[in-house]
Amino acid sequence: GQQVQQSPASLVLQEGENAELQCNFSTSLNSMQWFYQRPGGSLVSLFYNPSGTKHSGRLTSTTVIKERRSSLHISSSQTTDSGTYLCAGGSNAKLTFGKGTKLSVKS
Amino acid sequence: EAAVTQSPRNKVAVTGGKVTLSCNQTNNHNNMYWYRQDTGHGLRLIHYSYGAGSTEKGDIPDGYKASRPSQENFSLILELATPSQTSVYFCASGDAGGGATGQLYFGEGSKLTVL
Repeated sequence: GQQVQQSPASLVLQEGENAELQCNFSTSLNSMQWFYQRPGGSLVSLFYNPSGTKHSGRLTSTTVIKERRSSLHISSSQTTDSGTYLCAGGSNAKLTFGKGTKLSVKS
Repeated sequence: EAAVTQSPRNKVAVTGGKVTLSCNQTNNHNNMYWYRQDTGHGLRLIHYSYGAGSTEKGDIPDGYKASRPSQENFSLILELATPSQTSVYFCASGDAGGGATGQLYFGEGSKLTVL
């Protein structure tokens, strides 16, 4: 089945610094999403991005589907960005998640 | 914004007991999913459904059954709960039809403790 590798596993930033999170998949896929998990546990969809580049405020997602990889760029980080970022990919309605990147932004 | 509601939000069960986790979505999504989340494992897919009457096995279906009686409702059933099923369970729905995977929307999670 699909294997998903996320890196780094954890990251500590000073407020204002940028971050680049990576996601790599073991097999072909036609769907790719990024989620943010709040410290309390709820999950928020950030991007549905099966290919190309998408922007939302300070966040940018880039997916190169034929290379089976995706990245999430966070610019000018804020303390409120702290939490866990999860990527998920797959096909045929089945999504497999990575283990996440735990981000801590300090003031 | 898609609405996915899970119940109960917290449940304590005894070993060998039956547990039903319920999920309701109000956005007419075809696909619905049940995941569990454990430290060190991330989110793992238990069962999913393409629509009313359909259930499919995910990556870790053993010990779980699923039921999709209607477009809106998707239940996860633990017939004989075990302590290893202690976890946080998330339901999700997606807005793509057929075999495609659209954007997923998650419920708030249900914390299950099996003693």
